[in-house]
Amino acid sequence: DAGVTQSPTHLIKTRGQQVTLRCSPKSGHDTVSWYQQALGQGPQFIFQYYEEEERQRGNFPDRFSGHQFPNYSSELNVNALLLGDSALYLCASSFLSSGNTIYFGEGSWLTVV
Amino acid sequence: AQSVAQPEDQVNVAEGNPLTVKCTYSVSGNPYLFWYVQYPNRGLQFLLKYITGDNLVKGSYGFEAEFNKSQTSFHLKKPSALVSDSALYFCVPHSGNTPLVFGKGTRLSVIA
Repeated sequence: DAGVTQSPTHLIKTRGQQVTLRCSPKSGHDTVSWYQQALGQGPQFIFQYYEEEERQRGNFPDRFSGHQFPNYSSELNVNALLLGDSALYLCASSFLSSGNTIYFGEGSWLTVV
Repeated sequence: AQSVAQPEDQVNVAEGNPLTVKCTYSVSGNPYLFWYVQYPNRGLQFLLKYITGDNLVKGSYGFEAEFNKSQTSFHLKKPSALVSDSALYFCVPHSGNTPLVFGKGTRLSVIA
């Protein structure tokens, strides 16, 4: 059973560019969340998708957007990249129910230069 | 409101000694508490969780945690530390469908 998979694992972008990160949830999971982890910090919640809709959103600007597909996979898009967007982006999946275990992928390392 | 505190930024322990990573919580109602581990340059791995029932929870890699309601604690423990246990550990509360809220975690260093 594959866990949460993310791609790409590493990428370098230039300021002002746009990036798309992808996530496939653990088999059977219907809910995907995205987190940003800056160096030396804990992960910060970006948003959560369920039934192809954004259900909750953290304190991130509109430059951060996402999508969930019918097969529950998800994308995170970041426009107009800033140097401060350099971070590890983590995807997490679960069933939408209280107390269910939330599993994380290995993340996508984004460097903005 | 759900919150936890990990009072130690860094814990050092000798290989073979028992280890404890501390976590105290402040949650309303019945708390769900998770422990995650992050190895260097890796994603987060689930270790264990407390939802209800037995106060002693056993998890992956030989770790366990004891839910103590009177002390509002959920400390992570392992009887004998390995160098490979060196990592960043997060105690995380969870309630309903709210997102996980992470602190800075505790960095564990196991010295050979």
